Amino acid sequence: DAKTTQPTSMDCAEGRAANLPCNHSTISGNEYVYWYRQIHSQGPQYIIHGLKNNETNEMASLIITEDRKSSTLILPHATLRDTAVYYCIVRVGNSGYALNFGKGTSLLVTP
Amino acid sequence: EPEVTQTPSHQVTQMGQEVILRCVPISNHLYFYWYRQILGQKVEFLVSFYNNEISEKSEIFDDQFSVERPDGSNFTLKIRSTKLEDSAMYFCASSDRDKYEQYFGPGTRLTVT
Repeated sequence: DAKTTQPTSMDCAEGRAANLPCNHSTISGNEYVYWYRQIHSQGPQYIIHGLKNNETNEMASLIITEDRKSSTLILPHATLRDTAVYYCIVRVGNSGYALNFGKGTSLLVTP
Repeated sequence: EPEVTQTPSHQVTQMGQEVILRCVPISNHLYFYWYRQILGQKVEFLVSFYNNEISEKSEIFDDQFSVERPDGSNFTLKIRSTKLEDSAMYFCASSDRDKYEQYFGPGTRLTVT
């Protein structure tokens, strides 16, 4: 799986958009970008994934650059409950494969 | 909304004892996983399971570990002879054939004394 690089920590004011970057310059053509988050030692939670097109769901938006070497997860209106560690993971799209979690970005949403 | 459940939420055991951690994956899912997270460290993959056999395992998953799907609903992780360093949060996850996201349970905190 391609390696990812994320900032260690970020802050965001409640109600503002949180933009979490991820670099994955060695991504292969068949690898997807996945985002998960972990709220205070709970089980990781799936957020969104994409291959090359931008994606949006009820939780977030995922913007992938045209060269696919980086991406940004956007939480449009961050709330205090979005405080968590966010993981960007790159891997092939088939079911059954391991998720290799890195250290992620610790997002703190402040009042 | 369907969810993965795990029991117990906290297990305390003495070094050398056997433990079984239990998981009930989402009912129509076909792929099952175990991960662990030592306190303050990253989430680590242990094993994936499909069609009643292990499909992938990490270096951590040595002969002390085994997994089983004893019936149509449970998925278990057995640690044969626990060590102090097995103390961690263990997460079960499941996924569907045609959807790539994995859904995680709340975890079992294992404390080995």
